[in-house]
Amino acid sequence: GESVGLHLPTLSVQEGDNSIINCAYSNSASDYFIWYKQESGKGPQFIIDIRSNMDKRQGQRVTVLLNKTVKHLSLQIAATQPGDSAVYFCAEIDSGTYKYIFGTGTRLKVLA
Amino acid sequence: DGGITQSPKYLFRKEGQNVTLSCEQNLNHDAMYWYRQDPGQGLRLIYYSQIVNDFQKGDIAEGYSVSREKKESFPLTVTSAQKNPTAFYLCASSMAGAGGELFFGEGSRLTVL
Repeated sequence: GESVGLHLPTLSVQEGDNSIINCAYSNSASDYFIWYKQESGKGPQFIIDIRSNMDKRQGQRVTVLLNKTVKHLSLQIAATQPGDSAVYFCAEIDSGTYKYIFGTGTRLKVLA
Repeated sequence: DGGITQSPKYLFRKEGQNVTLSCEQNLNHDAMYWYRQDPGQGLRLIYYSQIVNDFQKGDIAEGYSVSREKKESFPLTVTSAQKNPTAFYLCASSMAGAGGELFFGEGSRLTVL
């Protein structure tokens, strides 16, 4: 399998519980943020995004929270399922410079 | 279906050889990108192209080369000058301009023997 996630922080949650994955971003000029899900040996998949003029955005079973004061982003997954097991990482985008910065990621393990 | 196709998925190379990774998209996106992914690190930008016949170096361009002769295609060559080429390579595309979602391919795993 893909070794990308070997050295990542791991969050283990029971199936059915809620998961919260955190991300600290670095660039104060970043004004667009994306959460990606990456399964072993595959490319990242878009989960949800948020622009800097918002504090919260909800999707299906997922919520992203943005705290610009402390430059913090979180992804909440409700009723976590086995299929949610993957590496999750955030991306920050500075629309002034077209620069994307990616976090190192968190591995989510869902326990049956 | 629209998407990004990378090939090959797995590639083995002897030291001193150049290899080319293919990336094709049918999303009609103007911008294309190449990233390298190593264990425990975030994606690092190798090269990007905002428009046909133009491309710019990213943060780790040394030892790599690209071309953008067609809107749909953005091949990456890993040259023998790249000191540590074993990695997972990801191609992505986005609509022109910034602030857009990056669509990723499934990746190419390069191993140098």
